[in-house]
Amino acid sequence: QKEVEQNSGPLSVPEGAIASLNCTYSDRGSQSFFWYRQYSGKSPELIMFIYSNGDKEDGRFTAQLNKASQYVSLLIRDSQPSDSATYLCAVAPRAGTALIFGKGTTLSVSS
Amino acid sequence: GAGVSQSPRYKVAKRGQDVALRCDPISGHVSLFWYQQALGQGPEFLTYFQNEAQLDKSGLPSDRFFAERPEGSVSTLKIQRTQQEDSAVYLCASSLAGTGSSSPLHFGNGTRLTVT
Repeated sequence: QKEVEQNSGPLSVPEGAIASLNCTYSDRGSQSFFWYRQYSGKSPELIMFIYSNGDKEDGRFTAQLNKASQYVSLLIRDSQPSDSATYLCAVAPRAGTALIFGKGTTLSVSS
Repeated sequence: GAGVSQSPRYKVAKRGQDVALRCDPISGHVSLFWYQQALGQGPEFLTYFQNEAQLDKSGLPSDRFFAERPEGSVSTLKIQRTQQEDSAVYLCASSLAGTGSSSPLHFGNGTRLTVT
């Protein structure tokens, strides 16, 4: 079992809708959780990070973390065509270890 | 520079050749990471430096892969006797602090290696 699992998609949503991206992780001791966005042919760029159970909001983006269920999600409200990209979930298992990335979920927002 | 700089952007190597990929991290960033990203996959961890010390090289796929960061700044990833399965984008990232912390990774644009 891969340590960080994501549905590869594609996830297709119409413009203005809410996109929901999900990620599960296997190491219960994981401490930090990150969402990166990667446009085709470009490098990953950080969108949000979250450490505590619950929700964290930043503009149109909300990250949700449930450590008991080992589940982290990213909600994108009012989706725009420019949000079309691959979204990578990354987990820092423990202090002193590098980020582990999921395979990524491809999001397509149609206008 | 303002960001992580990698060179070359593209590299084509014949099978069996040695290649060297360079990464220049953000000034002052303590940690430096190398990842390998195959087409349609997420980045896979290769190795990690804190200053000049290589703290984790568990992700290096074989002894043909070697990385160094001798002065705690610029890093080089070397691949000896390249094979077709080495074809991928090699991403370098740096962060201000160590791993498992609030310090996010900043990625370079990557080096796309194609082995023919």
